[in-house]
Amino acid sequence: DADVTQTPRNRITKTGKRIMLECSQTKGHDRMYWYRQDPGLGLQLIYYSFDVKDINKGEISDGYSVSRQAQAKFSLSLESAIPNQTALYFCATSETGRNNEQFFGPGTRLTVL
Amino acid sequence: DQQVKQNSPSLSVQEGRISILNCDYTNSMFDYFLWYKKYPAEGPTFLISISSIKDKNEDGRFTVFLNKSAKHLSLHIVPSQPGDSAVYFCVGNFNKFYFGSGTKLNVKP
Repeated sequence: DADVTQTPRNRITKTGKRIMLECSQTKGHDRMYWYRQDPGLGLQLIYYSFDVKDINKGEISDGYSVSRQAQAKFSLSLESAIPNQTALYFCATSETGRNNEQFFGPGTRLTVL
Repeated sequence: DQQVKQNSPSLSVQEGRISILNCDYTNSMFDYFLWYKKYPAEGPTFLISISSIKDKNEDGRFTVFLNKSAKHLSLHIVPSQPGDSAVYFCVGNFNKFYFGSGTKLNVKP
């Protein structure tokens, strides 16, 4: 079984709809992250959480919100989706401490029409 | 403003030869660098890393070189294999991880 799972893997939605992307991990890591990837660009950090009670904005948090329901679960919400949020979204985890590698989920391809 | 830049979107190499992927960064506060590899329809996976206090780190066929004065690092793959064909991301770390745009490596049999 995968250590970091994301649901759904693919989603098509319409402008203005609310959508939630979910991430679960079995690695026991405290730290979790949400990234988006656009064509020709690297991964950009949306939000990150160093533990259940710690939520931080990343580089591109506008239009997004997150919830850390438990150590193992970190969800990303788009309250009112817009077409330029069409992208590939990745969840990642890492151990506490500096310089620890991140472990990524398989990604969610989101299309907003 | 991209703090980590990979100026070559793609690279094609013959099997058995050396692949050299380059990366430049602007943030002198980065104290750790990582390379990730990504296959289609999968998330990135960690490949190799280097601390800013070192200039070289080697792991099997993969070697990362860091030139702090030039704010440049490179990933060498020797010998290259068709299974190395993937997108490679250079990442700088200072509190958070900053990704480059990636270089797509194609290793031809």
